[in-house]
Amino acid sequence: QQQVKQSPQSLIVQKGGISIINCAYENTAFDYFPWYQQFPGKGPALLIAIRPDVSEKKEGRFTISFNKSAKQFSLHIMDSQPGDSATYFCAASSRNTDKLIFGTGTRLQVFP
Amino acid sequence: DAGVTQSPTHLIKTRGQHVTLRCSPISGHKSVSWYQQVLGQGPQFIFQYYEKEERGRGNFPDRFSARQFPNYSSELNVNALLLGDSALYLCASSPSFGEELFFGEGSRLTVL
Repeated sequence: QQQVKQSPQSLIVQKGGISIINCAYENTAFDYFPWYQQFPGKGPALLIAIRPDVSEKKEGRFTISFNKSAKQFSLHIMDSQPGDSATYFCAASSRNTDKLIFGTGTRLQVFP
Repeated sequence: DAGVTQSPTHLIKTRGQHVTLRCSPISGHKSVSWYQQVLGQGPQFIFQYYEKEERGRGNFPDRFSARQFPNYSSELNVNALLLGDSALYLCASSPSFGEELFFGEGSRLTVL
């Protein structure tokens, strides 16, 4: 029940295309859903996050879509760029805790 | 402004030894969390400290311990190192628990 399932494991997208990464969770107590971007040898960097009171949040080229009834959320990267090539992790946590449950990661490669 | 700083960045130990990893949170942040990231996997929660008190513990053996100091910096200690402890150890800070987590670059531990 504590798991966050992430797919796909890897993703190859052409420059200018849309990258879509999906996550699903079971624990209905989760109420915070961040996405992190991690480059090799670096720590994860917070990209965008959403709480379940909204169904979508957009920041620049990055959009989170959230489906509370299906217990799923996804990251959309519009106009993907080679600089977006990294590993992306979804995560979830419950109120008033810093215990993030991470997905298994998606390695994104954007080719020119 | 300085982000979360961790030391050392890399270290090599042998089985059975002890290691201490250090973390300085972002100025003003009172909550510090520790995560272990094995190569190719998402980070796994080890501990959370807030106002010098342990507020959460993940599924790790008692060989792992941590503490938070009055200046909110933190140490993670691992005793009797095993080969399987080889990982990137990440420290994250937040203003208070349940808020956005900001990760450091990590300490890469190799156990031989």
